[in-house]
This record gives sequence, structure tokens and C-alpha cells, in this order.
Amino acid sequence: DTAVSQTPKYLVTQMGNDKSIKCEQNLGHDTMYWYKQDSKKFLKIMFSYNNKELIINETVPNRFSPKSPDKAHLNLHINSLELGDSAVYFCASSQLARGSTDTQYFGPGTRLTVL
Amino acid sequence: AQSVAQPEDQVNVAEGNPLTVKCTYSVSGNPYLFWYVQYPNRGLQFLLKYITGDNLVKGSYGFEAEFNKSQTSFHLKKPSALVSDSALYFCAVIMRFGAGTRLTVKP
Repeated sequence: DTAVSQTPKYLVTQMGNDKSIKCEQNLGHDTMYWYKQDSKKFLKIMFSYNNKELIINETVPNRFSPKSPDKAHLNLHINSLELGDSAVYFCASSQLARGSTDTQYFGPGTRLTVL
Repeated sequence: AQSVAQPEDQVNVAEGNPLTVKCTYSVSGNPYLFWYVQYPNRGLQFLLKYITGDNLVKGSYGFEAEFNKSQTSFHLKKPSALVSDSALYFCAVIMRFGAGTRLTVKP
């Protein structure tokens, strides 16, 4: 009955590789997000999708490409991984676009380690 | 631009004592403010939010927050802290999160 799920939970890979993280929500929400939490626990928005349409892209390198096959899924593909990409990546969802007054529901996170 | 600030990296309180975790905001227009909690190796969980109305907002696990427009603050409070409240707390406006405050409650 997990509301927002992410796979994998842990991801260890070499510099230069390409990897994907998957996210699914079963809450029927229209909006989904990707956040990056760095080693100091600072949380930063990366992307937001509303009904499969990209609505926010927060100056993220082109190596990061989100894809939303349907409104319940938002995947994150990362090309040419760099050491600085090591972080915990959180997926979230909310009912309304941009989530301005809406509660966000977070997944458990994916810890990415780039060696 | 919308932003929040959490001036304290760390707050330590004794179990049973009241706790306050501070947050100030800078918002153009109506402030929609949130508190989330993160336990170790977990995602963030919603605690409470202020949209409009009563300045005192009650949330999960006995937490409450006071919206103060004149001081542009939205401090999180609890009358009696529990050891299990120890976690990382984030104040947020829309998709902008504060730096987080680590709350440690000692027995």
C-alpha cells in the first residue's frame, strides 16, 4: 500500500555510467517532483511534472532527463554520472499543479553513490 | 521569490520539556507554509501547513505551529517533547525548503 515508491533504494555506480531511478505513486495525484538531497541534508527541487507535462526545470544539467510515461510515474535518467551527483534523490507527488497549497507525499529516497 | 530560513542547525531539549523549531519566511503574496519531518533513512513526512485562517495550526504527533505575519515567522512547537521526536525538521514554502533543523530530545 506504499503511496510513493522508488526503485532502487540504493545505487552504486562508476563515474561516466548512465543510470535510471523509477518512481510510482498510487495516490491518483496529478503532480510529481524530483528532489536532490545533498550530504548536508539540503533539499533542492529538480523537476516537476503535471499530468505528464514538464512544468518546472530548476537549472539542472542536461545530463538529467526526467520522463513521465503517465501521471502515476516519473522516472529520472542520468547520463555520464559525475562524483557530484552522489546524493539521495526523492520523488514526491501532490494533488494539484505546482503544489502551492498542497501537501507533498515523499518516496523513501534513492541513495546514489558515484565512485 | 519565495524562501524560508531555519536559523538553527541543531536544537537540543530534554524529554518532557517544550520544544520550538524556528522558521522565518520571505514570500510575495499569500504565504503557504509547511513543516515536514525526516527520520533517518526515510523520506519526508508532512506535519502541518498554514494556508489561511487561524494563526495556530495543529498537526500530527502533537505538533503545532504559530504563523506570525508581523515577524514573518512560522515556528514549530510542541508542549512536551518525546525522545521519538528526534529527527530532522524542514520548513517549506511551495517547493523551497529550509536547510533543516536537527532536533535531539534527550531522556
